[in-house]
Amino acid sequence: TQLLEQSPQFLSIQEGENLTVYCNSSSVFSSLQWYRQEPGEGPVLLVTVVTGGEVKKLKRLTFQFGDARKDSSLHITAAQTGDTGLYLCAGKVVVGTNAGKSTFGDGTTLTVKP
Amino acid sequence: DTAVSQTPKYLVTQMGNDKSIKCEQNLGHDTMYWYKQDSKKFLKIMFSYNNKELIINETVPNRFSPKSPDKAHLNLHINSLELGDSAVYFCASSQFPSGSTDTQYFGPGTRLTVL
Repeated sequence: TQLLEQSPQFLSIQEGENLTVYCNSSSVFSSLQWYRQEPGEGPVLLVTVVTGGEVKKLKRLTFQFGDARKDSSLHITAAQTGDTGLYLCAGKVVVGTNAGKSTFGDGTTLTVKP
Repeated sequence: DTAVSQTPKYLVTQMGNDKSIKCEQNLGHDTMYWYKQDSKKFLKIMFSYNNKELIINETVPNRFSPKSPDKAHLNLHINSLELGDSAVYFCASSQFPSGSTDTQYFGPGTRLTVL
């Protein structure tokens, strides 16, 4: 069974602060995706990383895939209230018995206070 | 304009009843999914269909039966509802499920409450 553990599970910060969310596994993934889910809505894809060590930036968000493709991090610079939401990582493999399935992490609930 | 839509948004019912949730996507995707998100926000895949054919069937009680009349629709029927079925159910669709960069588009969810 592939498991993805996210930390922290809950994070409450003031607007303007920086934060990092981690997504860790003992399994190797072909790709790692980050989603943001707002209350009452479905998850929306933010980014996909596929190469070990890859870094992608999306405005104030920086995503990194670990060298061994087992972990990932999401760093937010100068958080804004609009960043509030549930952040989910999802790993995918393309070979083997779990091919084509996305395994989701247990989520990080971020609250950014004004 | 909605890409993936689900009905109903909320469903409150008694234990033992049978209920259905409907999902439609207008993205032209071949693959659709059902996920269950529990009270701890953990999102777990239940089923996946590719062009009306079942391709993923996780360990889900056989009280849950998906049906795909065409590749744009994937419905979920639940028999003999139990308290533990209370959750938010998400439908999703994608075009290249076997690809590592495949993007899944999620519906708004159906919050099921079993009393």
